[in-house]
Amino acid sequence: DVKVTQSSRYLVKRTGEKVFLECVQDMDHENMFWYRQDPGLGLRLIYFSYDVKMKEKGDIPEGYSVSREKKERFSLILESASTNQTSMYLCASIGTVPYEQYFGPGTRLTVT
Amino acid sequence: SQQGEEDPQALSIQEGENATMNCSYKTSINNLQWYRQNSGRGLVHLILIRSNEREKHSGRLRVTLDTSKKSSSLLITASRAADTASYFCALIQGAQKLVFGQGTRLTINP
Repeated sequence: DVKVTQSSRYLVKRTGEKVFLECVQDMDHENMFWYRQDPGLGLRLIYFSYDVKMKEKGDIPEGYSVSREKKERFSLILESASTNQTSMYLCASIGTVPYEQYFGPGTRLTVT
Repeated sequence: SQQGEEDPQALSIQEGENATMNCSYKTSINNLQWYRQNSGRGLVHLILIRSNEREKHSGRLRVTLDTSKKSSSLLITASRAADTASYFCALIQGAQKLVFGQGTRLTINP
């Protein structure tokens, strides 16, 4: 009954490394999202995508990029990881009305 | 931007008691959703209530919506240890983008 999967549950990277976080959904949803979650700040939207090859910045896109080459896959890229990008990253997809959102299990990224 | 604000930020009760969490918002909505997040896990959709609905039930969950006060509440009855989690309300912003509050951290004590 898996709906949204993320490539890693835990990831440790060094400062300056390029990091790829993968997200796959099996519900044929057009809309996919990347969030980060930090204590005291709640969920913040990084990027989202309405369609293949389409992307739009969320509230905190700086330091991130995304790729949506196939409908089921939405990748988050940290071009040069920094310690302030240590966080929990959550991927989600959303269906049509009434817009119920399905989340992946999250990736806890630590940048040292 | 539109965002729900949950209240209280943290709640600790004894197993078997009822837990009530509130969400307030500022602009008009089409629907409001509640999610749960267990520690270290992703979010799970609990319930959606539309703007023309006043109350909705799902098992031990009861959600109310008062659009005149721009507020919603989530009631969990007969709480269990497994209900320990963070609870978020979420609102649609713009075209199909959900915006979350910071959540209420609920702890159920045995």
